[in-house]
Amino acid sequence: DAGITQSPRHKVTETGTPVTLRCHQTENHRYMYWYRQDPGHGLRLIHYSYGVKDTDKGEVSDGYSVSRSKTEDFLLTLESATSSQTSVYFCAISVVDGGREGLGEQFFGPGTRLTVL
Amino acid sequence: GDSVTQMEGPVTLSEEAFLTINCTYTATGYPSLFWYVQYPGEGLQLLLKATKADDKGSNKGFEATYRKETTSFHLEKGSVQVSDSAVYFCALRDSGAGSYQLTFGKGTKLSVIP
Repeated sequence: DAGITQSPRHKVTETGTPVTLRCHQTENHRYMYWYRQDPGHGLRLIHYSYGVKDTDKGEVSDGYSVSRSKTEDFLLTLESATSSQTSVYFCAISVVDGGREGLGEQFFGPGTRLTVL
Repeated sequence: GDSVTQMEGPVTLSEEAFLTINCTYTATGYPSLFWYVQYPGEGLQLLLKATKADDKGSNKGFEATYRKETTSFHLEKGSVQVSDSAVYFCALRDSGAGSYQLTFGKGTKLSVIP
């Protein structure tokens, strides 16, 4: 499972409150990703990171920010949660493929179910 | 941009039936193709992959062949089991710029009944 944990696993919050989700990995992978999963949409990339302090936007980045101060932790923050951000959030890492970082298989964490009331 | 289209579900089959889940794609480069499976309450797991045309990925009795001429990567299994009940996602990773990202289809839910 590539040693990926996510916390919390479940969270209920109110509109307008800040929320931070944590992804932790134990295998020193350089590339990490945050996705959201919604019925009828599959998985959509929010942000990804290619190293400490190196991040980039994905397909659905509006309303989200990320930080990576250590290799093992990738944080996703909703500055002011809205009901449209109710979703299941998955963190992933990608392993090295043929000596190339970020181009190997992606392994996913167990997910965080977030409900914004 | 890149996109993945897979058959809508849900799909309900009897145990030992033949399974096909269709997947077609559009990509600007030469993509690698993947099938992921998600069991209830869990994250996604890689089921199989193919990285070039005519490659066949296989795992746990599932197979998919990379067909460049039809831009397809259909998932098949000859005899499904109740334990195969899950959501299946087709995905691609394009070559070139942005190749660190995966593009997913919307998922197909499979239910296998005894």
